[in-house]
Amino acid sequence: EVQLVESGGGVVQPGGSLRLSCGASGFTFDDYAMHWVRQVPGRSLEWVSFIGGDGTETSYGDSVKGRFTITRDNRKSSLFLQMNSLRPEDSALYYCAKACGHDCKPTPSPWYFNLWGRGTLVTVSS
Amino acid sequence: DIQVTQSPSSVSASVGDRVSITCRASQGIYNWLAWYQQKPGEAPKLLIYAASSLQRGVPSRFSGSGSGTDFSLTINSLQPEDFATYYCQQANSFPAVTFGGGTKVEIK
Repeated sequence: EVQLVESGGGVVQPGGSLRLSCGASGFTFDDYAMHWVRQVPGRSLEWVSFIGGDGTETSYGDSVKGRFTITRDNRKSSLFLQMNSLRPEDSALYYCAKACGHDCKPTPSPWYFNLWGRGTLVTVSS
Repeated sequence: DIQVTQSPSSVSASVGDRVSITCRASQGIYNWLAWYQQKPGEAPKLLIYAASSLQRGVPSRFSGSGSGTDFSLTINSLQPEDFATYYCQQANSFPAVTFGGGTKVEIK
């Protein structure tokens, strides 16, 4: 089955750290870029971070740059997000999302998201 | 960053109706626009990419149009399973891709 499953969310104090994980199955993981996208319940979506298929290229949203680090382990079909110096405004449901890539013919792009996990909830509160 | 503004923020409609949602970008984005559907408690689902290309498996009653700054998503003959929130997303100014505020399609 083609799916993404996130884990690692929880409650953490401001200034603390968390490491989110995302396990992928049902597709050739290293063929695709991957992303983290977050959503405060009841609000819209915010793109957080991108990593290329081989893990060498990464990018971050301005709100998390310098605090979050995205990595991947292609041998284990896993994606990670290390979150440091957490702030209350980082509280959200964090989704792992697969880039559409060459699936989006005839205009392939790593910036459309065609598979999402169910999310893992991060709450930053004292 | 390029902002994308959706309208309306909510719409009430009946099964069988035709519904249109618009998305306006703060500057031209060619056709780098996607539409997603999100139901309560679920992850978003890609419906349309490149403004008008239908994602595999999405019913043909969904269609997208537009280029530059103005885009629309149309649902022909609204079905019960279509009541959800819809988001547009611009993919032109990567990595700073942004989403619209959402449009909730509710049952009249």
